[in-house]
Formats: sequence, C-alpha cells, structure tokens
Amino acid sequence: GQQVMQIPQYQHVQEGEDFTTYCNSSTTLSNIQWYKQRPGGHPVFLIQLVKSGEVKKQKRLTFQFGEAKKNSSLHITATQTTDVGTYFCRNSGGYQKVTFGTGTKLQVIP
Amino acid sequence: DSGVTQTPKHLITATGQRVTLRCSPRSGDLSVYWYQQSLDQGLQFLIQYYNGEERAKGNILERFSAQQFPDLHSELNLSSLELGDSALYFCASSVDQGLRVTDTQYFGPGTRLTVL
Repeated sequence: GQQVMQIPQYQHVQEGEDFTTYCNSSTTLSNIQWYKQRPGGHPVFLIQLVKSGEVKKQKRLTFQFGEAKKNSSLHITATQTTDVGTYFCRNSGGYQKVTFGTGTKLQVIP
Repeated sequence: DSGVTQTPKHLITATGQRVTLRCSPRSGDLSVYWYQQSLDQGLQFLIQYYNGEERAKGNILERFSAQQFPDLHSELNLSSLELGDSALYFCASSVDQGLRVTDTQYFGPGTRLTVL
C-alpha cells in the first residue's frame, strides 16, 4: 500500500533559524495537503497543492510539490515560537486511501 | 473552532471494557473519518464513512467498529479494551462530494482514552 514518509522525525531549531520538512510518497500523489498540530491540539489544515512543481506561500511558510508529484516540502523562514508543533502531510483526492505522513515535530528554542 | 464536536473529551476505563466515542461533523459535511493517535505518534487512519455508508477502511482492529447515522453523526465503538488502546481518538469531517475530490479535513478536539 501507499506509504508517506516524512523527514526529519524531530527538529529543534533556535528561534530565527529556518526549518524544512520533507514528505515522500512511494506512489504518485493526486494532491497533497499539509496540516499543523499544536501541542495538545488537533490537526489544522494549512494548504493544498495540486499541480506538479507547484509552489505556494503563506507568510513565512513556503510549500512545494515535486515535479513527479511524489514528494513535497514545507519550509519555514525565521521560525518563531508560535511555529512549534507537528507538521503532517497527507495524500488528497483521487481514489487513494487516506494516508497521513509520519509527521515532523518542530521545537523552537527561544 | 473547526465545527466538529467530539464527546466525551476524556474517558478512563478498565481493560476488557467497551466504550463508545461520538462525533458530530461540521454542518453540511457528509464524510466522517476516525483516527487513532498514540502518544507522540502519527495519525493512524481507522475508517471513513460517507453519507451513512462505509467508504474506506484503514488499520482498524476487529474489536473496533463504527457507524454513521442518518443525521450524519458517527460513533466509534471500542470493545475488549487493552492497555495499548490508550490513545487520542480524532474524528474529522469533510464535504467529500464524490470520489475524486479535494477533501480538506476538519478535525474535532479528540477524545483521550485511558485504559487502566
């Protein structure tokens, strides 16, 4: 079955440093979505990418979909303590079963 | 507030017991998904219902079952509970107008189950 892996599993950064998490699928994705889960909270939808090579920005967050639609990345510029949480990717659309990535837990040191 | 409600917030029970978790989706959403999240783990997809019918199954144990009622609320039944079933159980809903859709999921606050 489809597997969606994320790296790294954990990341500690100093406040102000950049952060990137990568999402890799064993099969081609129709679309990809990114979610953020704050400590003690529930996952919240951030963004969806649909097209091959697509790049979207939300303030300090940059999301990219790979050309082959088998990988994606989320980059945060100049992290802040409010960025703390776990970031998940997941497949979306098509006939594929729901699969969330393994998640990357971000800790920001003030 | 996502508009998805889950009850109860916390549940403490003993091994061998049976519990029912409840979820009300956002108004207008036809699909309900159930996930299990163990401590510091990822989201394990359990099952999806669409407009009252089972649509997809994930890693759901035979001891677990779910259903979606005509008013679209859903219940997840967990029986013969084991210590390892202790986890956060999330429900999510989406509009899900068909099979090939972009189905943004809206998560409820979760039910924390502790099995002693």
